[in-house]
Amino acid sequence: NAGVTQTPKFQVLKTGQSMTLQCAQDMNHNSMYWYRQDPGMGLRLIYYSASEGTTDKGEVPNGYNVSRLNKREFSLRLESAAPSQTSVYFCASSETLSLAGSAYEQYFGPGTRLTVT
Amino acid sequence: QKEVEQNSGPLSVPEGAIASLNCTYSDRVSQSFFWYRQYSGKSPELIMSIYSNGDKEDGRFTAQLNKASQYVSLLIRDSQPSDSATYLCAVNFGNQFYFGTGTSLTVIP
Repeated sequence: NAGVTQTPKFQVLKTGQSMTLQCAQDMNHNSMYWYRQDPGMGLRLIYYSASEGTTDKGEVPNGYNVSRLNKREFSLRLESAAPSQTSVYFCASSETLSLAGSAYEQYFGPGTRLTVT
Repeated sequence: QKEVEQNSGPLSVPEGAIASLNCTYSDRVSQSFFWYRQYSGKSPELIMSIYSNGDKEDGRFTAQLNKASQYVSLLIRDSQPSDSATYLCAVNFGNQFYFGTGTSLTVIP
């Protein structure tokens, strides 16, 4: 099992360009997440998908869109990249919340290092 | 106000010592707490999850949770140089997860 995979690993964009970050998981998890990680800021949730067919905003959604293509795949799109979006992007997956509200551990992909000039 | 707070460190301990990492979270109903380890340039990897008040031990790692004090900690016994990394505390509020900024740990041989 590959776990969570992300493509590409590295990307350089010019301001105003668009791109899509791809994420796939083979653990049959219902929930998937996109985070960005910046120095001194920790991991911040951009969007999440609690189950196939649903997506919700996280802490920092502005400038991003997502698509839950199927149960395995969750993509993140930057329509018009800005230098403030220079960051490391991580995708993660987990089981859905239990009926009691307990969350399950997340498993992370290797990350995409994005630079916007 | 941040949802999850950690001392950014750096924390340095000698090899073989106990490393103590702390995390506090804001006053909201939360069920689940996690500790992740992140090596430089790598993705976070899960070390421990804890759901109930008290201690949970796994090998050299012990997680401690006190919901009344909104406090979760991680103890690493017999610290090794390979434990040198950034440790992230994470808390769920419903479907959303909030991470602390991480504590950098260096174990000195």
